[in-house]
Amino acid sequence: DAGVTQSPTHLIKTRGQQVTLRCSPKSGHDTVSWYQQALGQGPQFIFQYYEEEERQRGNFPDRFSGHQFPNYSSELNVNALLLGDSALYLCASSRGQLNTNYGYTFGSGTRLTVV
Amino acid sequence: SQKIEQNSEALNIQEGKTATLTCNYTNYSPAYLQWYRQDPGRGPVFLLLIRENEKEKRKERLKVTFDTTLKQSLFHITASQPADSATYLCALRGSQGNLIFGKGTKLSVKP
Repeated sequence: DAGVTQSPTHLIKTRGQQVTLRCSPKSGHDTVSWYQQALGQGPQFIFQYYEEEERQRGNFPDRFSGHQFPNYSSELNVNALLLGDSALYLCASSRGQLNTNYGYTFGSGTRLTVV
Repeated sequence: SQKIEQNSEALNIQEGKTATLTCNYTNYSPAYLQWYRQDPGRGPVFLLLIRENEKEKRKERLKVTFDTTLKQSLFHITASQPADSATYLCALRGSQGNLIFGKGTKLSVKP
């Protein structure tokens, strides 16, 4: 049973460019959350998608946007990249929006470097 | 604002000893708290979830306690092994249902 799959694993972009990261959730999971993890910090919540809609959003600017497809996979888009956007981007999947009984399943992340 | 703190950035212990990691939170009464393990360059891996009405939860060599009065959770690894070396993250469920993570404690177990 495949877990959460993220692509690409590494990415280097130039300031001002746009980037799209992809996530396939664990089989049986329908909710996808995205997190940003800077070096030496804990993951910071970006937003959550359920039933193809953004349900919750953390304290991130509108440059960060996303999408969820009918097969539950998701994309994270970041426009006008800044050096400070360099981080590990994590996708987490869960069953149901509230998920009060189980932990989240995380992917290995996409390491984004902005130069 | 909701805040979660893991008061040790790093913890070094000898193999066979018990590792105890601390997680404190403020300005919130979470319905549950979770602990994750994260290895370098990898995503967090879920270990244990403990609810507000549970005092203690165990899984093999792992034990978690949850004191809602002190607003604190303790995470114990008994009979620690070098393979337990990793960063351990605690996370609580925020008011929106998202997870709020601490910065993590890097545990090193020396043979």
